[in-house]
Amino acid sequence: ETGVTQTPRHLVMGMTNKKSLKCEQHLGHNAMYWYKQSAKKPLELMFVYSLEERVENNSVPSRFSPECPNSSHLFLHLHTLQPEDSALYLCASSQDLTRSGGAGTNEKLFFGSGTQLSVL
Amino acid sequence: DQQVKQNSPSLSVQEGRISILNCDYTNSMFDYFLWYKKYPAEGPTFLISISSIKDKNEDGRFTVFLNKSAKHLSLHIVPSQPGDSAVYFCAASAHPGNNRKLIWGLGTSLAVNP
Repeated sequence: ETGVTQTPRHLVMGMTNKKSLKCEQHLGHNAMYWYKQSAKKPLELMFVYSLEERVENNSVPSRFSPECPNSSHLFLHLHTLQPEDSALYLCASSQDLTRSGGAGTNEKLFFGSGTQLSVL
Repeated sequence: DQQVKQNSPSLSVQEGRISILNCDYTNSMFDYFLWYKKYPAEGPTFLISISSIKDKNEDGRFTVFLNKSAKHLSLHIVPSQPGDSAVYFCAASAHPGNNRKLIWGLGTSLAVNP
């Protein structure tokens, strides 16, 4: 299995729908991330979970709701989205040494292939 | 205002020649820089990094150069191969060990022509 798996690969939803994006990592990492990639914009960090605790929430609207039931799984629940939320949503994982008592070096991010979301 | 700028959206290079991808930054507190590569329909993958205590880091065909006074870094690929065709993202951090603080550029799409 690949390191970080995201499903679905593509999603089309109406503004009144509720859907969820799923991410699973098989790398034994302790941190998981949701990123948003919109056209003409840099990668935007949305949420970070470290040791299953949400440690970062970058002013993301409440219509996006993350869930991290364990260190291997991450969900992004979507509700009443807007057309401007259409984007590529990327999940990533890494080993967060600052949380595991390490010295704190930049551990590289491992990304999934993303979910291309279209909101109609 | 973008703190990490990749001013060339695209670059086309002949196979076997050198590819040079550029990245400029504005925050003098940045002290760790990374390059990621992204193929279509895949997520970004880590390529190479450099700390501000160095001015060069090499890994096979890939070399990153850092010019702190100019707040500029570049990624050199020699020789370029068709499989290098991808989007290359530059990222910077002022907080080593903290992936939450990475600032990303918009990316440069590299096409290596056979």
